[in-house]
Amino acid sequence: DAGVIQSPRHEVTEMGQEVTLRCKPISGHNSLFWYRQTMMRGLELLIYFNNNVPIDDSGMPEDRFSAKMPNASFSTLKIQPSEPRDSAVYFCASRSTGRTYEQYFGPGTRLTVT
Amino acid sequence: GENVEQHPSTLSVQEGDSAVIKCTYSDSASNYFPWYKQELGKRPQLIIDIRSNVGEKKDQRIAVTLNKTAKHFSLHITETQPEDSAVYFCAASINTGTASKLTFGTGTRLQVTL
Repeated sequence: DAGVIQSPRHEVTEMGQEVTLRCKPISGHNSLFWYRQTMMRGLELLIYFNNNVPIDDSGMPEDRFSAKMPNASFSTLKIQPSEPRDSAVYFCASRSTGRTYEQYFGPGTRLTVT
Repeated sequence: GENVEQHPSTLSVQEGDSAVIKCTYSDSASNYFPWYKQELGKRPQLIIDIRSNVGEKKDQRIAVTLNKTAKHFSLHITETQPEDSAVYFCAASINTGTASKLTFGTGTRLQVTL
C-alpha cells in the first residue's frame, strides 16, 4: 500500500487566494483526520470523518476553512481566503475502525501564505 | 474535552542513557494512549501504544507505563542512540470501536548527544 497520499507537498500562495489541500487515505480505512501543525500551537485536530461523514469539526478555526469527503478515497481541505497566519504544515491521517487504533499520517502539505 | 499535558518540552541525554517523557490526561474515560515520533521534516509515526486494561508495555528499548488512577502515562527509552533524536508526542483518546479523535500533547524534543 502507498500509505496516505497528500498533495501538493508544498504550496506558496498570496494572502486572499484560495488554497485546496488534497488527501487520499489508505484503502480500506474508514476514518480520516485533518491536522494542522505549527511551532506555536503544536499538532491540532481540525476535523475528522467517519465513513465519509464529518463527525467533529470543532477544531476548524473559522469559516474560512472547509473540508469535504465526497467518497471513501478522497478528501479536501479548503481555505478561502487564505491569510499569513494559516501558514503551517497540514497533515491528513487515516485509520481503520477495527482492532487497531493506529492513525497513519500522510507526508503533509507545507503551506506558506505571503 | 480531553486535555493532555506533556513534560519536559526539551530533553537532552547522552548516548546510552535513559530518557523519560511524562504525560497527564484529564478525561478518566480515555482508554487509548499512543506515542508518536516525528523526525525533522517528516510525518508523525506511531512507536508504541497502550490501552487502559494494561499497566505496562515494552518493545525492545521502548516502554510505556500507565497509571489510570493518577491519569498519567510515561514513555521510557533505554540505551538511547543518536537516531532516537526527534520530537515525541503523547496522545489520549476514547475509543469505542467507531471513529474517535486523538488529543495530542505539546511534544518533547529529545536530543541524544554523543
